[in-house]
Amino acid sequence: KQEVTQIPAALSVPEGENLVLNCSFTDSAIYNLQWFRQDPGKGLTSLLLIQSSQREQTSGRLNASLDKSSGRSTLYIAASQPGDSATYLCAVRLISGGYNKLIFGAGTRLAVHP
Amino acid sequence: DTAVSQTPKYLVTQMGNDKSIKCEQNLGHDTMYWYKQDSKKFLKIMFSYNNKELIINETVPNRFSPKSPDKAHLNLHINSLELGDSAVYFCASSQESPPVTQYFGPGTRLLVL
Repeated sequence: KQEVTQIPAALSVPEGENLVLNCSFTDSAIYNLQWFRQDPGKGLTSLLLIQSSQREQTSGRLNASLDKSSGRSTLYIAASQPGDSATYLCAVRLISGGYNKLIFGAGTRLAVHP
Repeated sequence: DTAVSQTPKYLVTQMGNDKSIKCEQNLGHDTMYWYKQDSKKFLKIMFSYNNKELIINETVPNRFSPKSPDKAHLNLHINSLELGDSAVYFCASSQESPPVTQYFGPGTRLLVL
């Protein structure tokens, strides 16, 4: 059974710091891995999607890496800003019976203070 | 235009009642999902429909019954609501082949008293 773990559960940093959020999964047979952002009281917004054959993806100040064999992914946030404050969710996509489903981690709650 | 919309946004009801949550997507996707996010913020898939056909049904009590009248709509009906049903319910949609990102609705916050 696939399990996704995110560390740390919560993080509070001053503005400007570079951050690393960690995600690990127990079964390396994933189709892809996705990082989402969730703002309080809102839905999820997709940040980055890494296919199982890829090692990393970048978007602006965000960089996500994937080491499928070791079951790990990291989300790197450069020069953090207060607007980055949110919960960051990691999810792996499994293919089962020809259809796919996402398995989510519990998230990392990030607070960036001025 | 809202890609994935849910109604209502908030739902407060008494234990034992029956309620429905509606979801609509205007992205032309062929697959829709219902997720439940509990008080610990853990997001878990409940159901998935592809072209109006149920394809994923996780271990959800049969008090929960999804209904898909067409590809753009997936409604969730809950019978005999219990306290433990209090959560945020998210609808999502995606294109199944190839599997790409899922687009999520804003969530429906259900509180059972």
